[in-house]
Amino acid sequence: QKEVEQNSGPLSVPEGAIASLNCTYSDRGSQSFFWYRQYSGKSPELIMSIYSNGDKEDGRFTAQLNKASQYVSLLIRDSQPSDSATYLCAVINNTDKLIFGTGTRLQVFP
Amino acid sequence: EAQVTQNPRYLITVTGKKLTVTCSQNMNHEYMSWYRQDPGLGLRQIYYSMNVEVTDKGDVPEGYKVSRKEKRNFPLILESPSPNQTSLYFCASSSQGSATNEKLFFGSGTQLSVL
Repeated sequence: QKEVEQNSGPLSVPEGAIASLNCTYSDRGSQSFFWYRQYSGKSPELIMSIYSNGDKEDGRFTAQLNKASQYVSLLIRDSQPSDSATYLCAVINNTDKLIFGTGTRLQVFP
Repeated sequence: EAQVTQNPRYLITVTGKKLTVTCSQNMNHEYMSWYRQDPGLGLRQIYYSMNVEVTDKGDVPEGYKVSRKEKRNFPLILESPSPNQTSLYFCASSSQGSATNEKLFFGSGTQLSVL
């Protein structure tokens, strides 16, 4: 079992819809959670971080964390074609190690 | 402009020919790290450094070396490259160690092909 798991996708959504990206993690002691966006051929960039249960909103992005169920999700409202990218979930585990998931490819079509 | 600079962007080499990928950051960051990214395997850490003269192995250190003689530079050295080291490499830095990093700044990547 991978320590951080994501569905590789692609996840295809129409422009204007809500895109929902999910990530599960295995280390129950994990405390910090991040979402990075990576455009094709480019480097990852941090778009959201979340540390406590519940929702955290930043513009069109909402990160959701449920530690009891060990999952973290990213919602993108009003999806735009420019949101088409691979989204990497990253978790700092109980040994203070940052672990990346393999990413979910999102395609937003006009 | 705050940035992490990696060179070269693309590199094709042959098995056994030593190479160095350079990484430099201008943000006075203490923490620097090297990752490789492979399809289906995601980003895997090769080596990291918490500060000058302090380096530690990541998850996949075999076949690689690093050094941290200055705070700004963290070169990745492949003494005898092999085809299984063909990958996309990223250097990254942050102001704190991996335990509390709020944001990792990534270089633009180096696509390495070993023939």
